[in-house]
Amino acid sequence: SQTIHQWPATLVQPVGSPLSLECTVEGTSNPNLYWYRQAAGRGLQLLFYSVGIGQISSEVPQNLSASRPQDRQFILSSKKLLLSDSGFYLCAWTIGTGGFGYTFGSGTRLTVV
Amino acid sequence: KQEVTQIPAALSVPEGENLVLNCSFTDSAIYNLQWFRQDPGKGLTSLLLIQSSQREQTSGRLNASLDKSSGRSTLYIAASQPGDSATYLCAVLGQAGTALIFGKGTTLSVSS
Repeated sequence: SQTIHQWPATLVQPVGSPLSLECTVEGTSNPNLYWYRQAAGRGLQLLFYSVGIGQISSEVPQNLSASRPQDRQFILSSKKLLLSDSGFYLCAWTIGTGGFGYTFGSGTRLTVV
Repeated sequence: KQEVTQIPAALSVPEGENLVLNCSFTDSAIYNLQWFRQDPGKGLTSLLLIQSSQREQTSGRLNASLDKSSGRSTLYIAASQPGDSATYLCAVLGQAGTALIFGKGTTLSVSS
């Protein structure tokens, strides 16, 4: 069966520090991968998506970047965190156009102090 | 640009009540619609997926309907229980879209 892993579960980082969040999927090949952010009082916002290795699309201009070094690995990064980067980050995957639905990871709670 | 709205934002009911959560979307050209549940501090759990050609889906005490032409979906929860307390999120996948677009959710509290 397919599973999705995200880590770490929680993270407290100072302003200006770097960030690396990792997401991996097991049990499937060539998934579409997504990073969403959920900020307090706001809905889930799509940050990045990837349809293949090295293929990254950005939905919102921001202080973050994403990479997909392997088929089932998706990494969210920042060189220098801002206070506004605080939020709940969720990774998700689907196959093809998403006709079979999306599966989400357990999320990472990031607090920038 | 697709926008998804969920009403109400919050709902409190006593145990045993039947309830309806509403979701509306501005662009009816959708591929499918998905309802999720989110517990505090947790990820999303998929509840029901409705394809654009379908009118409803059922899973246990949950029933979701879709009226694509009017841009509406409802999630019906029968005989609510305290364990149903969570935030319920509606999301649509556009025909030309690349990812789910979410509403802000309805936070449900069921008291015993």
